[in-house]
Amino acid sequence: GAGVSQSPSNKVTEKGKDVELRCDPISGHTALYWYRQSLGQGLEFLIYFQGNSAPDKSGLPSDRFSAERTGGSVSTLTIQRTQQEDSAVYLCASTQGAYGYTFGSGTRLTVV
Amino acid sequence: AQSVAQPEDQVNVAEGNPLTVKCTYSVSGNPYLFWYVQYPNRGLQFLLKYITGDNLVKGSYGFEAEFNKSQTSFHLKKPSALVSDSALYFCAVRDLNSGGYQKVTFGTGTKLQVIP
Repeated sequence: GAGVSQSPSNKVTEKGKDVELRCDPISGHTALYWYRQSLGQGLEFLIYFQGNSAPDKSGLPSDRFSAERTGGSVSTLTIQRTQQEDSAVYLCASTQGAYGYTFGSGTRLTVV
Repeated sequence: AQSVAQPEDQVNVAEGNPLTVKCTYSVSGNPYLFWYVQYPNRGLQFLLKYITGDNLVKGSYGFEAEFNKSQTSFHLKKPSALVSDSALYFCAVRDLNSGGYQKVTFGTGTKLQVIP
C-alpha cells in the first residue's frame, strides 16, 4: 500500500482481556517498529523487527506484551490481560533505509 | 546511550511571527537528527532530517532546522507561522555509531499553538 496501515483505529477493551493490534507496513520495508504514546508522554519504543534478524524486544514493558511479524510483512502486537495503564496510542512505523520513518495513524487503546 | 530533550511542553506564537521549537540531543557518535509533526488524530509525519552537510536543513511546509554541534542542538524554525502549523512536534536522534541497529530515540514532544 501507499502508507503504513494500522487496525483497528480505536479499541476499547475491558481490563483483563487480551487485545491484538495490527500493522501493515509499506511493501518492501524491511524494518518495522512499534511505539507507544501515552498522554503527556513522548514516544516509547516497544519492539523492532529488521528483516530475518531476531527482534529487539528491549522496550516491551512486561511479559504481557508480545509481537510477531509474519513473512517479513504484517506485524501483530498482542497485549494479554490488559491493564488500565496500557491505555495509549500504539504507533507502528516502517523504514527501508537508515533515515526517516513512515508512521501509521496509530491504534488508540482504551482499557476500562 | 542516546537521548533527546525538548525543554518546552508548549510554544505559543502569533500567526505571522517566526517560531522556534527547541531540541537538544546526546549521542556518543555522530547524530542523525529528525523532526516529525503530528496533527490532531493523525499519525506522525516526517518533516526534515540532518545527516551531514549544511547545518541548515530545509524541510516540508516551509520548516527548517539548524544543526549546532557545539551546542548539541537541532532547533526547528519557521520564518512566519500559520494557524495550520498548530500541532505536536517531535525531535528524534539516531546514533550513527549504532551500526546496523537503527533504533531512533524520540523527545517528549512540543505542542505548538499558533494564535490567529
